Amino acid sequence: NAGVMQNPRHLVRRRGQEARLRCSPMKGHSHVYWYRQLPEEGLKFMVYLQKENIIDESGMPKERFSAEFPKEGPSILRIQQVVRGDSAAYFCASSNPGTSGNYNEQFFGPGTRLTVL
Amino acid sequence: AQRVTQPEKLLSVFKGAPVELKCNYSYSGSPELFWYVQYSRQRLQLLLRHISRESIKGFTADLNKGETSFHLKKPFAQEEDSAMYYCALRRGYSTLTFGKGTMLLVSP
Repeated sequence: NAGVMQNPRHLVRRRGQEARLRCSPMKGHSHVYWYRQLPEEGLKFMVYLQKENIIDESGMPKERFSAEFPKEGPSILRIQQVVRGDSAAYFCASSNPGTSGNYNEQFFGPGTRLTVL
Repeated sequence: AQRVTQPEKLLSVFKGAPVELKCNYSYSGSPELFWYVQYSRQRLQLLLRHISRESIKGFTADLNKGETSFHLKKPFAQEEDSAMYYCALRRGYSTLTFGKGTMLLVSP
């Protein structure tokens, strides 16, 4: 099991461009979480998704950010018209509440480092 | 709103010395607390959770509801313990709130 995969690992965009970050959960996991880590900060929750459903997006900025987790394929975090303040590390985690004794442990990916020039 | 505070950005100790990484939280409900660790060039991974009351790699953490703390302790630090440590609180059954992290450096 390769664990949670994220790509790209590094992404450079100019202001105004779009950024697409991908997350493939661990095999058998149906829940995905996105977190953002700004420099010198802890990870901050953005959005929680199950297949084809957004469960909790209370941490998502109201504009320019969107996330999806389709029936097939990876989860995508999309940032439109990026600004310098979007530069951060974006982490994805996955879990499967049906296992792990209902503990619902989250397993993290290596992150995508987004730099906006 | 929930909040997790780790007051130290960096903690530097010598090998064999005791270690305590501080974590305080604020949460109106019944908290579920965790410690995560990130070793150099590795991904974030769960170290321990308060519910299980276990010792992992010699580390323990006790939830003190009176002081709203969940400090991570180890009696004798090892060089391989050098890493970034994050305290986290879970609300509901899913999302985590993280502290800013403490870098632990263990020198020989």
